[in-house]
Amino acid sequence: DIQMTQSPSSLSASVGDRVTITCRASQSISSYLNWYQQKPGKAPKLLIYAASSLQSGVPSRFSGSGSGTDFTLTISSLQPEDFATYYCQQSYSTLLFTFGPGTKVDIK
Amino acid sequence: QVQLVQSGAEVKKPGASVKVSCKASGYTFTSYGISWVRQAPGQGLEWMGWISAYNGNTNYAQKLQGRVTMTTDTSTSTAYMELRSLRSDDTAVYYCARTEYSSSWYRFDYWGQGTLVTVSS
Repeated sequence: DIQMTQSPSSLSASVGDRVTITCRASQSISSYLNWYQQKPGKAPKLLIYAASSLQSGVPSRFSGSGSGTDFTLTISSLQPEDFATYYCQQSYSTLLFTFGPGTKVDIK
Repeated sequence: QVQLVQSGAEVKKPGASVKVSCKASGYTFTSYGISWVRQAPGQGLEWMGWISAYNGNTNYAQKLQGRVTMTTDTSTSTAYMELRSLRSDDTAVYYCARTEYSSSWYRFDYWGQGTLVTVSS
């Protein structure tokens, strides 16, 4: 099974900060990597798919990069509504999906 | 607009079964799959399995094999997830998510609101 790790597990940041979250796969997953945002008590929301494609309606301050085993989600200028937990998800194993453990972004 | 509306919260005793529904609207149901994802209190997301709404093909997470069954009713555009032999560690919010796929990606682009299943004696 493909395992996913994320770092950091949590971070504190201020509005306007540039934030970077890293996701690593236990084996190469090409670009089969998605990013989701989840706020407390809410369902996850798709932000980025195929490592770097911005989902429709998602602000352009969110971007994704990487391929193979190492991936990054970047928020270029953190906004108050971005305080949430972020999960990566691999979809390389055909119809066997795995989520990372999550990165909680809170207010400094 | 695309919507996935799930059934209400459930309380079950250990050893019982639960069946959660997910009614889709706003798109052609049989053109997409449905995945089920659960989240235990204070924990991360766990993928449970996937079903094709086109032909009913399924794929389940290995740890749930034998306890979970996913089905669809195309006449009502509804997906179902049944989990049997419930244990306390099955207590979680259960989500359905529309699963779209192409030759180079999969994505869970719309999600239901979640259904809390509590397993307690």
